[in-house]
Amino acid sequence: DAGVIQSPRHEVTEMGQEVTLRCKPISGHDYLFWYRQTMMRGLELLIYFNNNVPIDDSGMPEDRFSAKMPNASFSTLKIQPSEPRDSAVYFCASSPMDGPLRYGYTFGSGTRLTVV
Amino acid sequence: AQTVTQSQPEMSVQEAETVTLSCTYDTSESNYYLFWYKQPPSRQMILVIRQEAYKQQNATENRFSVNFQKAAKSFSLKISDSQLGDTAMYFCAFMGDDMRFGAGTRLTVKP
Repeated sequence: DAGVIQSPRHEVTEMGQEVTLRCKPISGHDYLFWYRQTMMRGLELLIYFNNNVPIDDSGMPEDRFSAKMPNASFSTLKIQPSEPRDSAVYFCASSPMDGPLRYGYTFGSGTRLTVV
Repeated sequence: AQTVTQSQPEMSVQEAETVTLSCTYDTSESNYYLFWYKQPPSRQMILVIRQEAYKQQNATENRFSVNFQKAAKSFSLKISDSQLGDTAMYFCAFMGDDMRFGAGTRLTVKP
């Protein structure tokens, strides 16, 4: 298995632009999570999906952030408009139905976003 | 809400020595899971070890072991025979409804 695949690995954009981060979970995994990592706040859960349905989006910081999972093999995290304080590493992770409690999550390599 | 505290921002150890990283957590739940993740400079989050709260026996994975004290809500990670490749950030995580992470401990293994 190729693992959780995120793209792009690095993204530099100007303030005000739209940014879309992409994630392909491991095939067969039912859960998908988006995390944000910053020096100040550490790893924060933004949103998670179960069987493509958003379950908890209470971690999404503002209305500028949105996430979708149109099918079991693809998810996006969009920021529109982007701001410098959105600069962070964004991780996607996935887990099978009986996996979260027993095996934890499998993480992608993350996308480092820089908003200038 | 569950909180996870790692009180050691940075630690260092000599190669081949043993080091222990601390983690405490706060929860009212009785059944949960705890994890340690390693994040090397490559940025990849790698699962090191996990512990089920209802199991009293401490988990071990090769050179990695935990000291799980449920009553004290403590979950420390011991790395034996430290290797240069162990240099990384280490995150303690609590799994209830979802996974919550501590702030991390930056471990440096010195030759």
